[in-house]
Amino acid sequence: EPEVTQTPSHQVTQMGQEVILRCVPISNHLYFYWYRQILGQKVEFLVSFYNNEISEKSEIFDDQFSVERPDGSNFTLKIRSTKLEDSAMYFCASRNRVVAWNTEAFFGQGTRLTVV
Amino acid sequence: DAKTTQPNSMESNEEEPVHLPCNHSTISGTDYIHWYRQLPSQGPEYVIHGLTSNVNNRMASLAIAEDRKSSTLILHRATLRDAAVYYCILRDRNNAGNMLTFGGGTRLMVKP
Repeated sequence: EPEVTQTPSHQVTQMGQEVILRCVPISNHLYFYWYRQILGQKVEFLVSFYNNEISEKSEIFDDQFSVERPDGSNFTLKIRSTKLEDSAMYFCASRNRVVAWNTEAFFGQGTRLTVV
Repeated sequence: DAKTTQPNSMESNEEEPVHLPCNHSTISGTDYIHWYRQLPSQGPEYVIHGLTSNVNNRMASLAIAEDRKSSTLILHRATLRDAAVYYCILRDRNNAGNMLTFGGGTRLMVKP
């Protein structure tokens, strides 16, 4: 069964450093997402990406964050100047149809980011 | 998006059916009802979705009330692997937004 893969599974970084979280969505999918989940809290939407541009973003997704699909297969989330409160599980997701309401999203296993 | 209400937690015995309720009294006619689950230390996983009619798939069944103000996810025989947080989410076909909005969900505990 096709799956969304994320690397690394765990990333430890020092406060103020930049990190790049990587995702390989399912190959024929069109929409890509990043979500995050702070330990013990809800899964929160960060950003959606379609046709090589951001289609929606939440208030969390400020100038510290950026996304890119550099080569047609990878989808990355960059966090500049990480803060302690950026520590969370980051999930990548993708789906394959233009209509969202009748389509399932596939999630990766997540990257645990720990900022020290 | 319209709001959903789920119990914080439920318990079940292994190999027994589980009925997970969801209230969505403000649901609109264009809202689809989606269920996802999140196993421990994993990403969310799609379970099932429907609009008006009851739905079945290999994972579960979805029973939707006639007035659509509530729905129930049915696991026919719970296994230990079904212990997870189950999320009931509404998706509006008229909403340009395509992200999922997760609430607190129901934490299902399965006892052997």
